[in-house]
Amino acid sequence: QVQLQESGPGLVKPSETLSLTCAVSGYSISSGYYWGWIRQPPGKGLEWIGSIYHSGSTYYNPSLKSRVTISVDAPKNQFSLKLSSVTAADTAVYYCARTVGGATDAFDIWGQGTMVTVSS
Amino acid sequence: QSVLTQPPSVSAAPGQKITISCSGSSSNIGNNYVSWYQQLPGTAPKLLIYDNNKRPSGIPDRFSGSKSGTSATLGITGLQTGDEADYYCGTWDSSLSDVVFGGGTKLTVL
Repeated sequence: QVQLQESGPGLVKPSETLSLTCAVSGYSISSGYYWGWIRQPPGKGLEWIGSIYHSGSTYYNPSLKSRVTISVDAPKNQFSLKLSSVTAADTAVYYCARTVGGATDAFDIWGQGTMVTVSS
Repeated sequence: QSVLTQPPSVSAAPGQKITISCSGSSSNIGNNYVSWYQQLPGTAPKLLIYDNNKRPSGIPDRFSGSKSGTSATLGITGLQTGDEADYYCGTWDSSLSDVVFGGGTKLTVL
């Protein structure tokens, strides 16, 4: 079955760039669907960060757009998130997920999530 | 403040039925599909309903979704203790060009 696994540093210093990767198994990213990142600050709700298609077409949360880059590496069957100039407000569990179809569709398969803390 | 409004909490006894509301506007729920997610403590969200009322494979028919105007509703029948979780609604907001979520509703099965 399709599985997603996030990886990356659990601690990032303020003003630096947060970098995460989502490895996909059981399905080829190049076969379709949009793939996205969603985050959840401790004790709070869900926030969409952005989504990408295997062709590289991207959609970003307008409030984060200036700091976010999502890219795809089809040969490695993975996609990545970079969030620049982080602050404590970016501390959250970061999830990668697959949509049911289009860029704005529901997310049907999720990774387990990875906690990222922004602190000096 | 979330774009979509959900009640903070609901509770009911095992075996009973509950509904969770999700209120929005014409730029989001009114003109786009709604999805619902269940998040058990310490786990990733799980898709329960998409496209307003469709259930992914493996989701029991105890879970149902509906939409009317600018509001959506998640229904759960035959409540079980294992249903205790946070529930989130989500949709696309055409004005914001953003995927938006409700603030979440904590379900307690007494």
